[in-house]
Amino acid sequence: GQQLNQSPQSMFIQEGEDVSMNCTSSSIFNTWLWYKQDPGEGPVLLIALYKAGELTSNGRLTAQFGITRKDSFLNISASIPSDVGIYFCAGQLGFGAQKLVFGQGTRLTINP
Amino acid sequence: GAGVSQTPSNKVTEKGKYVELRCDPISGHTALYWYRQSLGQGPEFLIYFQGTGAADDSGLPNDRFFAVRPEGSVSTLKIQRTERGDSAVYLCASSLGTSGIQETQYFGPGTRLLVL
Repeated sequence: GQQLNQSPQSMFIQEGEDVSMNCTSSSIFNTWLWYKQDPGEGPVLLIALYKAGELTSNGRLTAQFGITRKDSFLNISASIPSDVGIYFCAGQLGFGAQKLVFGQGTRLTINP
Repeated sequence: GAGVSQTPSNKVTEKGKYVELRCDPISGHTALYWYRQSLGQGPEFLIYFQGTGAADDSGLPNDRFFAVRPEGSVSTLKIQRTERGDSAVYLCASSLGTSGIQETQYFGPGTRLLVL
């Protein structure tokens, strides 16, 4: 079964607001990833984190790899309508080609 | 270039039937992964291939599930004696297959399987 606890499960916000979601684990992961999934599509990688304590940005997205290697958060600033979708955190125990363990997802809805 | 493609996009079958789901990875990617995503959940790992061999099949739920990748490119996920609980989206992903740190998995759109 899944090992990552992601919260919140859903968010309803106004356009322009900032968003924050996080992911925790009982196990250590050496890589943390954040994906976005649109309806009828597969997940698309947003940000990858490879070092404990690392803070990485990708446009309006910022993610951090927790220092304990058991958690990560994703922030979205100044949300826009195309940010709507389901966001998943994922962890990888090792490096290179390995399986991913996913969280349950955060469904983001934006009111214009 | 082309991404990961999966066929069929939708499959409806009856309980007890056999189904095959196909995945075409990105050209040059030696690693290929299968995940299953139930409604409202994140993807769950099933099996991972490095080349032609299954490097990790720890996620296959039981012996009704089997996957092959005979030539190290296209992969087929096979489900025997389907059950209603097998209904889900089956996602395929591929990656370069290196041992380096930065290895990105690229996902296909998935096959939606409905077992009646």
